[in-house]
Amino acid sequence: SQQGEEDPQALSIQEGENATMNCSYKTSINNLQWYRQNSGRGLVHLILIRSNEREKHSGRLRVTLDTSKKSSSLLITASRAADTASYFCATDIYNQGGKLIFGQGTELSVKP
Amino acid sequence: DTEVTQTPKHLVMGMTNKKSLKCEQHMGHRAMYWYKQKAKKPPELMFVYSYEKLSINESVPSRFSPECPNSSLLNLHLHALQPEDSALYLCASSQDLASLRNTIYFGEGSWLTVV
Repeated sequence: SQQGEEDPQALSIQEGENATMNCSYKTSINNLQWYRQNSGRGLVHLILIRSNEREKHSGRLRVTLDTSKKSSSLLITASRAADTASYFCATDIYNQGGKLIFGQGTELSVKP
Repeated sequence: DTEVTQTPKHLVMGMTNKKSLKCEQHMGHRAMYWYKQKAKKPPELMFVYSYEKLSINESVPSRFSPECPNSSLLNLHLHALQPEDSALYLCASSQDLASLRNTIYFGEGSWLTVV
């Protein structure tokens, strides 16, 4: 069973705009990870935020985590056409070591 | 080097065939994973190995048989598969299971088509 819900399911923006994707989950977690997947390819790890962290930055990426609301958001600033991909959040479930469960994903399309 | 290597990249097999998917990592990771992903869907966890022992089996049918010969290798043996098993099979690894910073790294996947 899948733990996470993501919204929007699809997002289309112009190059240079910011893209925000949201993820909600149901159970306690050790950490939450965001991944990117280009069509037909493997998953690329973007960023990990631990359950005791609230915000994390990596380049043009900003991730927030609200454990009280069981939600996270991924912000991509100044988007580029190369950011076009599917983005998944994945939760490392507390006390179930190794059980990384993925959300449904957001398909991001960045138009040049 | 954060690389997980999977072979073959593409595999077509009949329903009576026996084949294997292979995965290798040289990052010294002690946890390895198999995920299955259908088109337009998120990856679904199948198996987790920790220190070469099976830690999690997500009620996967026995026609999928995982094997971890050593800490760097993970195999998925396939036998008597059905067409609905056609999917992208992703291998992943991480340092271990018991860490708040347990980043999981994925390979490029093996595309499996069952005919």
